[in-house]
Amino acid sequence: AQKITQTQPGMFVQEKEAVTLDCTYDTSDPSYGLFWYKQPSSGEMIFLIYQGSYDQQNATEGRYSLNFQKARKSANLVISASQLGDSAMYFCAMREGGGGFKTIFGAGTRLFVKA
Amino acid sequence: SAVISQKPSRDICQRGTSLTIQCQVDSQVTMMFWYRQQPGQSLTLIATANQGSEATYESGFVIDKFPISRPNLTFSTLTVSNMSPEDSSIYLCSANRGGGQETQYFGPGTRLLVL
Repeated sequence: AQKITQTQPGMFVQEKEAVTLDCTYDTSDPSYGLFWYKQPSSGEMIFLIYQGSYDQQNATEGRYSLNFQKARKSANLVISASQLGDSAMYFCAMREGGGGFKTIFGAGTRLFVKA
Repeated sequence: SAVISQKPSRDICQRGTSLTIQCQVDSQVTMMFWYRQQPGQSLTLIATANQGSEATYESGFVIDKFPISRPNLTFSTLTVSNMSPEDSSIYLCSANRGGGQETQYFGPGTRLLVL
């Protein structure tokens, strides 16, 4: 069965510094996708970044990058140059199989950015 | 991208009553899902809404409690039946296009409080 683990309930980072949010996963399916979402206090789920299991390069989207280490089954999110608006809950998620299948979520990490 | 709307955005209900949540997507999507997010928790998948057939429920969720309809490719409803205070949660509709389209979109959620 698929599983997503986020071991950091909360993280603090100084404004303008980089921060890494950890995520490990477990699946027996060779084809899967990994996602990161941001959930601010408003409650909306904001898609940040996606990494496919067959992608050779780490995904990047602006200040977000995904450090994909397939052998270790980890998919850490790196946020560079943190901003106060980055303070939010961050969820790692995984979807098995080809496009269209269900996605499961980790427990989340709450990020606090300090001025 | 797909824009997803949900109605109502929030509601306060009495125990023993039922509430139907509507989800509308602005374009045709292959897969639609319903998630529950209990206070301070991560997202838990309730079911996959299948067009023209019965929804596929995850472990711990049953059709009698959470009946789901999906009459076409852009619309779905979730009913929370015979509510109790434990059903107080945010209910989120989600969709993706399938077929290799990786991004999974979320509606703004319905905040439900059961008294």
